[in-house]
Amino acid sequence: AQSVTQPDIHITVSEGASLELRCNYSYGATPYLFWYVQSPGQGLQLLLKYFSGDTLVQGIKGFEAEFKRSQSSFNLRKPSVHWSDAAEYFCAVGAYNFNKFYFGSGTKLNVKP
Amino acid sequence: EPEVTQTPSHQVTQMGQEVILRCVPISNHLYFYWYRQILGQKVEFLVSFYNNEISEKSEIFDDQFSVERPDGSNFTLKIRSTKLEDSAMYFCASSGTTNEKLFFGSGTQLSVL
Repeated sequence: AQSVTQPDIHITVSEGASLELRCNYSYGATPYLFWYVQSPGQGLQLLLKYFSGDTLVQGIKGFEAEFKRSQSSFNLRKPSVHWSDAAEYFCAVGAYNFNKFYFGSGTKLNVKP
Repeated sequence: EPEVTQTPSHQVTQMGQEVILRCVPISNHLYFYWYRQILGQKVEFLVSFYNNEISEKSEIFDDQFSVERPDGSNFTLKIRSTKLEDSAMYFCASSGTTNEKLFFGSGTQLSVL
């Protein structure tokens, strides 16, 4: 069955520190992987996506993610976190026809000054 | 950037009442979706809609739910007789000719009392 797991419910990092948010997926075919961010009172905004090719993908706001097929992972990283990055982050896998997306339960990021 | 608009942002209703959640997708998009997020849980797929018909729906989307695109701009989700467990944030999303990128609205928080 298709599923997405985000093991960390809450993460707190200091401003300027590096960040890695974990995502593991289970999907029977080639996965199409996404990271979304949700700021309070806002909708879900796409940060980046992976379909094929280079396994390290760059997104908006300085984020990147690496697809590792052997580990069924698609972890999100940022070298230096800004206070404005505080939000909830969702990993998602898209069905082959993009007709349905499966989301993880989200990771809430707090940024300490 | 174009955006998906949802109204109202908050809706409070009594159990057993009908509610209609409204969405205005991005104007040239072809694929439309409803997702929901119960507090503290994953974002869950409800239904996808293409070419004026439902293309896929989840087991959550039972006979109490219906969707409609009544005109060229709106996309609505109707819950015929609300239950307490329908309380959630409901997100509308749309995507274009290549439907791999979902644009989400900011959600309607539905509270069923």
